[in-house]
Order: sequence, then structure tokens, then C-alpha cells
Amino acid sequence: EAGVAQSPRYKIIEKRQSVAFWCNPISGHATLYWYQQILGQGPKLLIQFQNNGVVDDSQLPKDRFSAERLKGVDSTLKIQPAKLEDSAVYLCASRPQGIRTEAFFGQGTRLTVV
Amino acid sequence: AQSVTQPDIHITVSEGASLELRCNYSYGATPYLFWYVQSPGQGLQLLLKYFSGDTLVQGIKGFEAEFKRSQSSFNLRKPSVHWSDAAEYFCAVGTTTSGTYKYIFGTGTRLKVLA
Repeated sequence: EAGVAQSPRYKIIEKRQSVAFWCNPISGHATLYWYQQILGQGPKLLIQFQNNGVVDDSQLPKDRFSAERLKGVDSTLKIQPAKLEDSAVYLCASRPQGIRTEAFFGQGTRLTVV
Repeated sequence: AQSVTQPDIHITVSEGASLELRCNYSYGATPYLFWYVQSPGQGLQLLLKYFSGDTLVQGIKGFEAEFKRSQSSFNLRKPSVHWSDAAEYFCAVGTTTSGTYKYIFGTGTRLKVLA
């Protein structure tokens, strides 16, 4: 079974530039999460999709971050404009239906803003 | 509010020694608990999970964890550590809020293994 795919693996941009990350979840997983992991910290939830609808974006800085999940499959996370403090690893995860399930994570995209 | 605390930021053990990583959670209902491991440059890999039943759960790579409701703890253990176990370990709780299910992570414990 293929895992969660993310691209790119690494990205370096200057502050005020824009950047986009892509995620392809495990086939059939209805729930998709984007987490931000700052160095030395645990992952923090940015946004959660159920199929193609947003169910939780309370921690997403909506003035600069946006995300979409078209057709309930792939998802993109965008930052525009980026700030230095956005430097982090962005993790995508998906989960099958049911409460007694775990999230499956991709390898992440490491973003460095200079 | 739900939270997960991992009190040890760094732990160093010698290869072959036993290991215990601590995790305490705060959650009003029955918790669903997880331990994930993250090697450098990698995503998170599930080690083990607890939903209900036997409070001692076995995971991959020889790890086990014990759920203690009275102490709100879910500590991870391994009897004999291997050099390849050096990584960062995250405890997480699965929570249901307003019909949505999400995971809250601790800040992680970085494990160093001495040869």
C-alpha cells in the first residue's frame, strides 16, 4: 500500500515570497491533516479536511496560509507571503474512517525562509 | 483543554540498556493514545496505539507502553535499546471535539544512544 506522498521535500525561499506544498493521501482516506512542526517542537495542527470540506482551521493563520483539497483527494497548502517564523517542517497525514484509527504521515516538506 | 506532556526533552542511554520515555495527558474522556517515532528527515511512524482493553500494549521494534488511567500516563518502554533507536519520540492523544477527530502531540523526547 502506497503511503502519504508529499512534495517537495525541501524548499528555500526568501521572506515575502510565496510557496506551495502538495500532498497525496493514502487512497480511500477521507480525513487529511496538515501539521506544522517547528524545530524542537511537536507537530501542531494547521487544518483538517473531511473529504473536500474543512472541519477545523482554527490554528491556520488565514492572513497568509491557505489550503484546499479538491475532489477530496490531493491537497495543497500555500503560504503567501512567507515570514521567517514560517520556517518549519510541514507534515501531511491521512486517516481512514473510524475513531479507532491512527494517522499516517508523509515525510514532510522542510521549509526554510531566509 | 486537552494536552500532552513529555517532561524529558533529551534522554541518553547506552546501547543495551533499558529505556522509559514518559508521557502524561490531559483529556476528560477515554483517551486514544499513540506513540510515534521520527528519524531525522523523516515523517512520523507509528510505534503503538491504545484504544481500550489490555493496558499493556505491544508495538513494533520491541517497544511497549502501559496505560495508567490513575496517573494519566502512557509511558513507552524498551528492555534493550539498539543504536538504531536514536530518534525523536512523540506521544499523542486522539481527541474528539465538536464531531471532529484530531491528534494532539507532545513536544517530543530526543533519544541519544551511546555505543
